[in-house]
Amino acid sequence: DVKVTQSSRYLVKRTGEKVFLECVQDMDHENMFWYRQDPGLGLRLIYFSYDVKMKEKGDIPEGYSVSREKKERFSLILESASTNQTSMYLCASSLGRFSGNTIYFGEGSWLTVV
Amino acid sequence: GENVEQHPSTLSVQEGDSAVIKCTYSDSASNYFPWYKQELGKRPQLIIDIRSNVGEKKDQRIAVTLNKTAKHFSLHITETQPEDSAVYFCAASIMNYGGSQGNLIFGKGTKLSVKP
Repeated sequence: DVKVTQSSRYLVKRTGEKVFLECVQDMDHENMFWYRQDPGLGLRLIYFSYDVKMKEKGDIPEGYSVSREKKERFSLILESASTNQTSMYLCASSLGRFSGNTIYFGEGSWLTVV
Repeated sequence: GENVEQHPSTLSVQEGDSAVIKCTYSDSASNYFPWYKQELGKRPQLIIDIRSNVGEKKDQRIAVTLNKTAKHFSLHITETQPEDSAVYFCAASIMNYGGSQGNLIFGKGTKLSVKP
């Protein structure tokens, strides 16, 4: 059974803080993704990675960065958190480079920035 | 780039009735269309998908249809049950062999409520 684990389910951070959201998958998947989920806006892609040390911008990368130092781990970084980054963040992974592979999501991290 | 529109945003049905959720996509090159179900407080999970070489796919009470000419695809749930209550997301992407992967573009979601 594929497992995508996000280290924190609920976080409260102050404006201007640096925030790290960690994600680990245990199925040796090549692809990893970070999405943001907001009511009425669906799932929006922030960043993705097809390989270690590789990253590409998604649809809404502004204010975020990512790190993939190991194949199984993909971190989302908010360099200076702002209130408009209050949201649910979903990490996901899929098997390989070819689309059409099932994307497996983590449980989500609820981030509140005050 | 690809744009996926999903309707309706909310849907309420009586238990036992059918539910239909519709999505349209803009990029005629898209050829992979999955549907995800997200129960309250849980992660989205794939429930069914269809590729552009078929027009319909069924799995028990759920089915997906695809009209490539009109660029729309639909999720059909028959004999709805309270446990079908969830948010459903459609998505589209381009499946390339040997080239760069097309990322999934999601619709905004449909909140389905099944009343007992």
